[in-house]
Amino acid sequence: QVQVVESGGGVVQPWRSLTLSCAASGFTFSWHSMHWVRQAPGKGLEWVAVVSSDGRNKYYADSVKVRFTISRDNSKNTLSLEMNSLRPEDTAVYYCAREGAYRSFDIWGQGTMVTVSS
Amino acid sequence: EIVMTQSPATLSVSPGERVTLSCRASQSVRDKLAWYQQKPGQAPRLLISGASTRATGIPARFSGSGSGTEFTLTITGLQSEDFAVYYCQQYDNWPPWTFGQGTKVEIK
Repeated sequence: QVQVVESGGGVVQPWRSLTLSCAASGFTFSWHSMHWVRQAPGKGLEWVAVVSSDGRNKYYADSVKVRFTISRDNSKNTLSLEMNSLRPEDTAVYYCAREGAYRSFDIWGQGTMVTVSS
Repeated sequence: EIVMTQSPATLSVSPGERVTLSCRASQSVRDKLAWYQQKPGQAPRLLISGASTRATGIPARFSGSGSGTEFTLTITGLQSEDFAVYYCQQYDNWPPWTFGQGTKVEIK
């Protein structure tokens, strides 16, 4: 079964750090670019970051640049998002998504909730 | 950054009706346009990529059209399970990948 499963969310204080993980299975992980997309409560979808299939190329939304770091371990089929200097506006459900053959996001995880609050 | 604008924000429709959702890009994205469906408490699901190609397992009542800056998602014969929020997304000019704000299809 092709799937991705996020973990690592929780409640964190402003300015603290948190790392999210995404475990992939059922497909050749190393063939696909992988993305993080977030959704604030009651809001729409916001793209956060992407890492290329080989891990060499990474891009970030301006809202998280410098603070967040995306990485992957193709030997373990895992994707990570290290989030530093968290702000209340980073509160959201974070989804891991696979970039498919047509470059759209064809596989999504169930999401992990991150709440930034004192 | 390409801005994606969806209209209307909300559509109130009855089961069995035909529904048309619109998505406009602030500049041409060619046919690099996807549609996603999201139900409450669930992750988004890919419906359409390449503006008009249905994803695996998506029923034929969902169809996409358009190119350049104007796109449409049509649902023919709306079923109860189709009440959801629909998002368009461009993947032509990145970063960033950008989504529309969504159209909610609700029961009339």
